[in-house]
Amino acid sequence: GAVVSQHPSWVICKSGTSVKIECRSLDFQATTMFWYRQFPKQSLMLMATSNEGSKATYEQGVEKDKFLINHASLTLSTLTVTSAHPEDSSFYICSASTGFGNTIYFGEGSWLTVV
Amino acid sequence: AQKITQTQPGMFVQEKEAVTLDCTYDTSDQSYGLFWYKQPSSGEMIFLIYQGSYDEQNATEGRYSLNFQKARKSANLVISASQLGDSAMYFCAMREGRGSGNTGKLIFGQGTTLQVKP
Repeated sequence: GAVVSQHPSWVICKSGTSVKIECRSLDFQATTMFWYRQFPKQSLMLMATSNEGSKATYEQGVEKDKFLINHASLTLSTLTVTSAHPEDSSFYICSASTGFGNTIYFGEGSWLTVV
Repeated sequence: AQKITQTQPGMFVQEKEAVTLDCTYDTSDQSYGLFWYKQPSSGEMIFLIYQGSYDEQNATEGRYSLNFQKARKSANLVISASQLGDSAMYFCAMREGRGSGNTGKLIFGQGTTLQVKP
């Protein structure tokens, strides 16, 4: 089946630094990738949608300068949390899609802790 | 705008019994998809079942079935013969279908925490 790999699974960074999370589709080419954020015991909130070679579309309220998304190829999208603060600590998870319908596949997620 | 609602924050079920998790949705689109995911404490999103808006038959996948009532805009998940390993958070989600300007994004309900009692 379709596999999406997300790396790193866990990351701890110091306040003020930047951290990059990668999302790779291993055995298929993803036309679209989606990034979500989830606080404990809450739902997944869509942050942005990215298509290969074009700028990401951010959801309302998501700071595009803080959460930089790059979708350089059909198999890789990255989320960079810039100048991280403790309130950015969260679970971030990506998904990749090959089209519409039941064609969406999730990565394993990344736990970010900012100290 | 699309919206997904799960009104049960937490549910208990006895092992080996069936349980229904509720989900209602709202959309003006004719084409859309409905998903159920299981999320254990590890965080991974485990796909359970999918129902397309044009599918006339209710979807089934092993012990999971989706009770799709289009007119009522509901898509309840039924888990039969509950097992201890079913204890997790469950999310209902809706994906916009092919249409002008649509990206196919998936939006989630608030989630239901299911606990299976031995």
